[in-house]
Amino acid sequence: EAGVAQSPRYKIIEKRQSVAFWCNPISGHATLYWYQQILGQGPKLLIQFQNNGVVDDSQLPKDRFSAERLKGVDSTLKIQPAKLEDSAVYLCASSYLVDTQYFGPGTRLTVL
Amino acid sequence: GQQLNQSPQSMFIQEGEDVSMNCTSSSIFNTWLWYKQDPGEGPVLLIALYKAGELTSNGRLTAQFGITRKDSFLNISASIPSDVGIYFCAGQLGTRTSGSRLTFGEGTQLTVNP
Repeated sequence: EAGVAQSPRYKIIEKRQSVAFWCNPISGHATLYWYQQILGQGPKLLIQFQNNGVVDDSQLPKDRFSAERLKGVDSTLKIQPAKLEDSAVYLCASSYLVDTQYFGPGTRLTVL
Repeated sequence: GQQLNQSPQSMFIQEGEDVSMNCTSSSIFNTWLWYKQDPGEGPVLLIALYKAGELTSNGRLTAQFGITRKDSFLNISASIPSDVGIYFCAGQLGTRTSGSRLTFGEGTQLTVNP
């Protein structure tokens, strides 16, 4: 069974630029999560989708971050404009419903 | 918001030694989880605990859900070099069927010297 796929694996941008990350969850998983992991810290949930509806986006900085999950499968997370403090690993995870979350390898973002 | 205090932050041990790490919270959780993260990878679930007082093993790993529901510990016995990595605890408020966000600890970096 294929795992959670994410791309790109690495991205370097300058502050004030825009960036987008893509996630393809495990086939059949209804729930998709985006986490932000700053170096030396544990992951922090940004947004949770169930199918294509948002369940929890209370920790998403909505002035610059947006996410969508059209058709309830793939998802994109966008940052516009990026700030230095957005440098982190962005992890996507999926679960069948709200049980075990399986994580992708992440996208490492560096903002210069 | 909820915060998890995980200790120790790092450990340097010899191969064959046992390891213990723990996590405490100021608020209760209904589920405690332990993950391991290798460099360049996402976290992988090691053990899930769903009931206060529960003691669960997975090979050389043993974890317990504290009776107060505010803490958990993870033990690794007879460590081997591939145990190297960052171990995270995570708490979840929701039940097994309803679920909610995971709150992660800061991680314990484990180094095993052969």
